[in-house]
Amino acid sequence: NAGVTQTPKFQVLKTGQSMTLQCAQDMNHNSMYWYRQDPGMGLRLIYYSASEGTTDKGEVPNGYNVSRLNKREFSLRLESAAPSQTSVYFCASDSRGISSYNEQFFGPGTRLTVL
Amino acid sequence: RKEVEQDPGPFNVPEGATVAFNCTYSNSASQSFFWYRQDCRKEPKLLMSVYSSGNEDGRFTAQLNRASQYISLLIRDSKLSDSATYLCAVNIVGNNDMRFGAGTRLTVKP
Repeated sequence: NAGVTQTPKFQVLKTGQSMTLQCAQDMNHNSMYWYRQDPGMGLRLIYYSASEGTTDKGEVPNGYNVSRLNKREFSLRLESAAPSQTSVYFCASDSRGISSYNEQFFGPGTRLTVL
Repeated sequence: RKEVEQDPGPFNVPEGATVAFNCTYSNSASQSFFWYRQDCRKEPKLLMSVYSSGNEDGRFTAQLNRASQYISLLIRDSKLSDSATYLCAVNIVGNNDMRFGAGTRLTVKP
């Protein structure tokens, strides 16, 4: 039982390049999330998926797209990376929809630098 | 004003000290409350949920004050291993948008 896994762990991009961050969970959770974490800003929600086949914008969605590929996988895509997207990205999942208790489980994070 | 606010610290305390963190939230409809612990360069992990009646887990006590819209975390008999950043999180049951505070950094020194 790996929990939430993310790839890659580290990435350096040049401005304008694109990339996809991968996330998978093996806890049979319905809901999955992408956050970014910046110093002094805490975790901010980019996009979430309440269930397979649905996605919704969070607090800071601009410059990102997501795909809920199946129940296990939720990817985050940067089409044209900008230096402002330098951050640590966390994927998370929870059992919302199964119970009212919604502890979120986080992946290990992806450290992205955009030059 | 941020929806969830925490004193960023850092809090530097000696081993054995008692330390308390507060977290205020602005949305009065918030219904679920949590404290997460985040070690340096690691992901956040749930420390404890916060229940209306308050709850205790060993040296950790969490309390909720709905009237004043804040939650608190008390750590007694601090250990070196308690050094970390503590994040509070709130959301409305049924709403997928969990809001996190920026975190309070704690360093426990020998």
